[in-house]
Amino acid sequence: DAKTTQPTSMDCAEGRAANLPCNHSTISGNEYVYWYRQIHSQGPQYIIHGLKNNETNEMASLIITEDRKSSTLILPHATLRDTAVYYCIVKGGATNKLIFGTGTLLAVQP
Amino acid sequence: NAGVTQTPKFRVLKTGQSMTLLCAQDMNHEYMYWYRQDPGMGLRLIHYSVGEGTTAKGEVPDGYNVSRLKKQNFLLGLESAAPSQTSVYFCASSRQRTGSGANVLTFGAGSRLTVL
Repeated sequence: DAKTTQPTSMDCAEGRAANLPCNHSTISGNEYVYWYRQIHSQGPQYIIHGLKNNETNEMASLIITEDRKSSTLILPHATLRDTAVYYCIVKGGATNKLIFGTGTLLAVQP
Repeated sequence: NAGVTQTPKFRVLKTGQSMTLLCAQDMNHEYMYWYRQDPGMGLRLIHYSVGEGTTAKGEVPDGYNVSRLKKQNFLLGLESAAPSQTSVYFCASSRQRTGSGANVLTFGAGSRLTVL
């Protein structure tokens, strides 16, 4: 499974869009990009995933570059409740393991 | 629909004691996982199971054993607890992989274990 690199922390003003980057330069063709988040003391929560195309759901949008070496998670209108650690994970279909890194701590400021 | 339920939520052990953490899911998921989380280290995979009666080692399996006798349950055992096993433990499950290859996990709320 490809490794990912994320900034340790980011700030965002409440009501603004939060853009969380992730580098996965060694990603291979059949590996998905997943995003999870973990609000303090709770279990991780699935947000979104994608393979090649950009994806959007009720929580967020996922933008994957054409070469697939990086992606951005977008929370369109961040709220204080979006303060959490966000994990970017790359996993292929050949394994059943999701390997988490240390993620990005997003702090939404009032 | 409860999702993934972990018991107990909190436990304090003395060094050398044994205990079992129970994870139960009601989503008919094939795959189940145990992770541990320590400050500043993200989540690390201990063991996982791809179906009833099967288990496999993850990143940090030493000191733990698991069993998957029933599809809905995944047990994590500590035979002789050590202070280094003080951690928050998370269980997760996922349905059988679809043709697309995606595998989305649903996590439990966590079990906080302290070993003195």
